[in-house]
Amino acid sequence: DVKVTQSSRYLVKRTGEKVFLECVQDMDHENMFWYRQDPGLGLRLIYFSYDVKMKEKGDIPEGYSVSREKKERFSLILESASTNQTSMYLCASSLGLAVQETQYFGPGTRLLVL
Amino acid sequence: DQQVKQNSPSLSVQEGRISILNCDYTNSMFDYFLWYKKYPAEGPTFLISISSIKDKNEDGRFTVFLNKSAKHLSLHIVPSQPGDSAVYFCAALSRGFQKLVFGTGTRLLVSP
Repeated sequence: DVKVTQSSRYLVKRTGEKVFLECVQDMDHENMFWYRQDPGLGLRLIYFSYDVKMKEKGDIPEGYSVSREKKERFSLILESASTNQTSMYLCASSLGLAVQETQYFGPGTRLLVL
Repeated sequence: DQQVKQNSPSLSVQEGRISILNCDYTNSMFDYFLWYKKYPAEGPTFLISISSIKDKNEDGRFTVFLNKSAKHLSLHIVPSQPGDSAVYFCAALSRGFQKLVFGTGTRLLVSP
């Protein structure tokens, strides 16, 4: 059974703070993803990684960076949090590069930036 | 520019009846489509998928229909159950790309 865990379920930060969101998967998946979910906008891809130390920009990478030092861990970094980054952040992983690969999601981190 | 659209933000259905959730897309390069289901405070979970070489895929109470000429897909749930109440996202993928493009979601409420 695939498990994707996220370090925090809820997080409150102040504008300008550096924020780290951690994601760990336990199924040796190659690909990992970070999305944010906002009302009326669905899930939007921020960054993804298909291998250790590799990263690709998604659709909305501005204001974010990522780190993948180990295969099982993918971190999302908000260098200087802003109020418009208040959102639900979802991490996902998938096994390989086949088109049909299902993505498995973590429970999400709800971030509030004051 | 929303490439995958779910024009109904919400849908209410009575238990036992059919739920039909709709999804439209604009990118003709999409060739694989998925539906995900999301309960509050949980991540989305994969529900059912369909390749563009098919027009129908069925899994128990869930059936997905694809109309490529209309760039439209729909998810049918029959019979609907209260436990089906959730937000449903459709997503699309194009060959060679690993990025899923999600729709905005439809909140389904199935009442007893």
